[in-house]
Order: sequence, then structure tokens, then C-alpha cells
Amino acid sequence: ELKVEQNPLFLSMQEGKNYTIYCNYSTTSDRLYWYRQDPGKSLESLFVLLSNGAVKQEGRLMASLDTKARLSTLHITAAVHDLSATYFCAVDISWGRDDKIIFGKGTRLHILP
Amino acid sequence: DTGVSQNPRHKITKRGQNVTFRCDPISEHNRLYWYRQTLGQGPEFLTYFQNEAQLEKSRLLSDRFSAERPKGSFSTLEIQRTEQGDSAMYLCASTRGGDSGNTIYFGEGSWLTVV
Repeated sequence: ELKVEQNPLFLSMQEGKNYTIYCNYSTTSDRLYWYRQDPGKSLESLFVLLSNGAVKQEGRLMASLDTKARLSTLHITAAVHDLSATYFCAVDISWGRDDKIIFGKGTRLHILP
Repeated sequence: DTGVSQNPRHKITKRGQNVTFRCDPISEHNRLYWYRQTLGQGPEFLTYFQNEAQLEKSRLLSDRFSAERPKGSFSTLEIQRTEQGDSAMYLCASTRGGDSGNTIYFGEGSWLTVV
């Protein structure tokens, strides 16, 4: 069964610092998503990563995918308070009889002013 | 707004009652997903449709849960004989599908409280 593990689950950091969130998954997939969720709200799509070596950047966030290592990272550069939220990675498995997208438990990010 | 629409947004029901949630996906999106999310957890996959066909259903989904997408457009999720453990946010998502890796868009969710 597919497992998607994020770490850390909680992260408190100072504004201006850099940090990386890791997403490991347990089965073959070449499609991975990153989402942001604010408290009480739905999920906002950040990135769709489609192939090994894919790298995407939007503002202070950069995501990458290594399908061989079954690892994706979300890097935050010079964090600002507005980036405080919960970040989820989700892995798409579409093979055999399985066809679903599985989410990690999320990383709750709190950026201190 | 042409995003994914869910209703009702909030539902409080007594234990044992049936509830139904509706999801209207983005027009021309042929894939539709239902997820359940409880506080502090990630979304948990429930079921998935491609057009009107239900292609995948979580083993975690008891027989009290049923979902339909009769004409390949809107979908409904029904929970029969609700239990307190069903209290959660139910999320619907849609995408165009295919191999192009399209973004999956989520609705605002339907909050269920079973008392």
C-alpha cells in the first residue's frame, strides 16, 4: 500500500530563514502535487511535478522531484509570515487496479515575525 | 466563479440520520474525487470517478457511504446512518484527466458535524 511521509510535521521558523520540507513515498509514481491549506480553508494547488528531475518555482517556494529516490522537496527561501500554512504533498498512483491520489499528513509551518 | 462548487458548506445532523453532499466540478473536467479530512490530518481518499464510472473506492469506505455521478457531471456523496466518527470536512476535487498532469482543483469543502 502506498505510503506518503512528510517531514517535519511541524516547523516553526524565523522570517528570512530558508528551510526544506521533505516528502517521501513508497511506490512508483512520476506525478506529485504540492498544496497549501490555510486553517478552515480548502486546498490551494502550488505545484504539479510530472517527471524525474522536475523543478518548479513560484515566488519564495521551489519544488523538486526525484522519482528514483521517491522524494520530493519543497524549499522555502527567505520565509515571510504570509507563508504560514499547512503544506501537503500528494502522490498520484495510476497502475494496475489502483488509481488514486494519496496525501501526506501535512507540514504545519509557522513563521515567526 | 467557475471553480469546484460544493454544497451544503456546513451540515449538522443527529446521529443515525442520512446526509447527502453535492459537488459540481469545473466544466469539462472528467475526473472527480472525494476526500475526507479531519482536524490535523491530510485528506483521506474516498472515491474517484472518470466521467460517470466509479473507478476506485477506498477500502476504508464503509457500506454506509455511497457516491454517484450519474451523468458524468455533478456528483453526490451520501452517508447513511451517520455516526459521530463521520464528523469531518468532505472535499471534492476535479481535473481534466489524461496524461497531461493537469492541476487538480479542490472545492471549499462540506463540513459535517454529527451530534
